[in-house]
Amino acid sequence: KAGVTQTPRYLIKTRGQQVTLSCSPISGHRSVSWYQQTPGQGLQFLFEYFSETQRNKGNFPGRFSGRQFSNSRSEMNVSTLELGDSALYLCASSSQGDRYGYTFGSGTRLTVV
Amino acid sequence: SQQGEEDPQALSIQEGENATMNCSYKTSINNLQWYRQNSGRGLVHLILIRSNEREKHSGRLRVTLDTSKKSSSLLITASRAADTASYFCATGPLDRGSTLGRLYFGRGTQLTVWP
Repeated sequence: KAGVTQTPRYLIKTRGQQVTLSCSPISGHRSVSWYQQTPGQGLQFLFEYFSETQRNKGNFPGRFSGRQFSNSRSEMNVSTLELGDSALYLCASSSQGDRYGYTFGSGTRLTVV
Repeated sequence: SQQGEEDPQALSIQEGENATMNCSYKTSINNLQWYRQNSGRGLVHLILIRSNEREKHSGRLRVTLDTSKKSSSLLITASRAADTASYFCATGPLDRGSTLGRLYFGRGTQLTVWP
């Protein structure tokens, strides 16, 4: 069974640009969440999607947006990049049952220069 | 904040020894989960314990949960060098609905196991 796939693995962008990150969940998982990880703030929740609907949103500015498609794949977009957006962005998926927790992808390392 | 806090921040032990990490949180929870992260990579789910459970085992892992003290502990027995990683506790909210919901992570414990 394939795991959670995040693309790309690494990304370097310039301040002011925008970026789109992609996440393919485990087959059959309809819930997808995104987290940002930085040395200063740790793991911060960005969004949760279930069946194409955003169920939860973390405390991030409107420059951060996301969506989920009918095949449960998800994308997140960050517009007008700032240096502080440099982070490891992690996507996680889960089935409706909670027994096994979340399965995380390997992350996308975004560097803003 | 519901965010969990792990203690200690760093732990260094020899192979074969046991490692104990603690987690405290502030609000009522539905469940508490432990994850492991190897340097700069994704998180790996280790174990989930529900709020009505007190102890759970998985291989060399033992997790306890004390909801009255709002605390949990993760014990790794007979540690190996391959256990070297950061360990995070994460709490799941009461009102999670039909999904796991958002998780509130602590800052993690960096465990180093020396051969």
